[in-house]
Amino acid sequence: KQEVTQIPAALSVPEGENLVLNCSFTDSAIYNLQWFRQDPGKGLTSLLLIQSSQREQTSGRLNASLDKSSGRSTLYIAASQPGDSATYLCAVQGSGGYQKVTFGTGTKLQVIP
Amino acid sequence: DGGITQSPKYLFRKEGQNVTLSCEQNLNHDAMYWYRQDPGQGLRLIYYSQIVNDFQKGDIAEGYSVSREKKESFPLTVTSAQKNPTAFYLCASSASPLQGRNSPLHFGNGTRLTVT
Repeated sequence: KQEVTQIPAALSVPEGENLVLNCSFTDSAIYNLQWFRQDPGKGLTSLLLIQSSQREQTSGRLNASLDKSSGRSTLYIAASQPGDSATYLCAVQGSGGYQKVTFGTGTKLQVIP
Repeated sequence: DGGITQSPKYLFRKEGQNVTLSCEQNLNHDAMYWYRQDPGQGLRLIYYSQIVNDFQKGDIAEGYSVSREKKESFPLTVTSAQKNPTAFYLCASSASPLQGRNSPLHFGNGTRLTVT
């Protein structure tokens, strides 16, 4: 059974700092890994999707990497801003079709002005 | 703009009543999903549908029912048999394998259900 872990559960940083969020998974047989952002009381917003054959994806100040062999992904946020404050979740799609998506419990990020 | 609409945003019901949560998408996605989110837990899959008139149970389907009569719509009914229905419910969609296998999940803004 796939298990996805995100540590730390919460993180507080000063504005302007570069930061890394971590995601680890137990089963390396994945099709893709997706990073989401969730604001309080809202749904999930897709940030980046990394296919199993890729090593990284970039969008603006965000860069996500994937190391399948070690079961790890990182989300790098450059020059953090107060507007980046949210909960960040990773989700892994494994074998078995579209239903087999396992979510982590997220890292709650606070960027202090 | 294309997206997923969930309604209502907040829903209050008395224990013992069935309640239906709406989910509509205009992304032309074949696959739709219902997740439940509880504090401190990852999202858990309730039901999913990969095509019209077909749906499958997820990890926590007991006490829930769905229908998929139209491609755009995937309503979720929370029945009185669900023992702990108070939660945040999220609907999602994605393209099917024929439309592109590595298609990201798109989510609605959720419905917060409170049962007292």
